[in-house]
Amino acid sequence: GNSVTQMEGPVTLSEEAFLTINCTYTATGYPSLFWYVQYPGEGLQLLLKATKADDKGSNKGFEATYRKETTSFHLEKGSVQVSDSAVYFCALRSSYKLIFGSGTRLLVRP
Amino acid sequence: GAGVSQSPSNKVTEKGKDVELRCDPISGHTALYWYRQRLGQGLEFLIYFQGNSAPDKSGLPSDRFSAERTGESVSTLTIQRTQQEDSAVYLCASSQDSYEQYFGPGTRLTVT
Repeated sequence: GNSVTQMEGPVTLSEEAFLTINCTYTATGYPSLFWYVQYPGEGLQLLLKATKADDKGSNKGFEATYRKETTSFHLEKGSVQVSDSAVYFCALRSSYKLIFGSGTRLLVRP
Repeated sequence: GAGVSQSPSNKVTEKGKDVELRCDPISGHTALYWYRQRLGQGLEFLIYFQGNSAPDKSGLPSDRFSAERTGESVSTLTIQRTQQEDSAVYLCASSQDSYEQYFGPGTRLTVT
């Protein structure tokens, strides 16, 4: 069946460091892919998405490229800020339902 | 406009009691979803409503779980005879047809 695997956290970085959170998926066909973010005390928010192979989603300095060859959708940011501290979830859409990875907690220190 | 709202935000209940969780979707959104997020884990799909179609209940973990939706508005998730393993955050989301899902803040359920 369809599934999403993402790197375990927590990931701890200093401010302005480069961020990569790995995400790979198993799916039939080419599903839409998403990154969601959950800030402390807040609900889940869509961060970015890509709907077909080679698409690059981007938002708030974060980027992720849909790679069908490696079935990956890694999240990257060139320079993280303390305010980026949150839990990040990779997800794919299977028909209408979202299938999520287990989440990666990011802690950015000043 | 208003987002998805859920109530209560927190619920503590004793094992064996029944609980009802409520979700108010964004006005005009035809699709509504319930997910469960256990501590340290990703979200698990529970149930999906789309308009007047029969709901997809394939994610409900047992027959103690049920959900209803009135038209294209409020939904209620009911858990009967709660167990400790039911402790989790229950998230509701809504969408315009099957497009982007907007999530509510969740209900944190603790079964003691």
